[in-house]
Amino acid sequence: DAGITQSPRHKVTETGTPVTLRCHQTENHRYMYWYRQDPGHGLRLIHYSYGVKDTDKGEVSDGYSVSRSKTEDFLLTLESATSSQTSVYFCAISEQGSVTEAFFGQGTRLTVV
Amino acid sequence: RKEVEQDPGPFNVPEGATVAFNCTYSNSASQSFFWYRQDCRKEPKLLMSVYSSGNEDGRFTAQLNRASQYISLLIRDSKLSDSATYLCVVNCGRYGGSQGNLIFGKGTKLSVKP
Repeated sequence: DAGITQSPRHKVTETGTPVTLRCHQTENHRYMYWYRQDPGHGLRLIHYSYGVKDTDKGEVSDGYSVSRSKTEDFLLTLESATSSQTSVYFCAISEQGSVTEAFFGQGTRLTVV
Repeated sequence: RKEVEQDPGPFNVPEGATVAFNCTYSNSASQSFFWYRQDCRKEPKLLMSVYSSGNEDGRFTAQLNRASQYISLLIRDSKLSDSATYLCVVNCGRYGGSQGNLIFGKGTKLSVKP
């Protein structure tokens, strides 16, 4: 299995609080992605990174920010969590971007109450 | 038209059946195509890439029709362990190539019964 670790795996937080999810990889892949998965919507891209300090928005980026200061780490921050951000969040990595397959972390279940 | 559309399912089949999943995509510039499998409460995992010439991996056959922008997955002799959600995945985006994004279909749930 690809070396991808997400932390935390589960989190419950209150509306209005900031939350940071971490994705750590040991594969030295250039591309890293954050997705959210919700019933009826499937997987939707939040943000992605194509190198250190190089990031771009995905389909559902509002309310989220990301940072990548090292190849191995990609952080997703919810500046002020809302109930609509309750979801399962998956990090993924890819060696050559979207022309090659992506490998996923085990996911983070986030509940905003 | 949604970027990637799949049969809504669910598909409930007996063991040993042959089952086919279909998928259409809207971006004619897409270059890469995949089928992923996702078990309940688990992460998606690559099942197979899809090549223009079609490809087979054991009981699984994937085909691509670029002219119709259509992808299929055929599972023969289905097993209980094949029960999962199957996701059709296509790359597209304003840059195309490696900086495009992988777009996931909503998935089709397969349940194989004894």
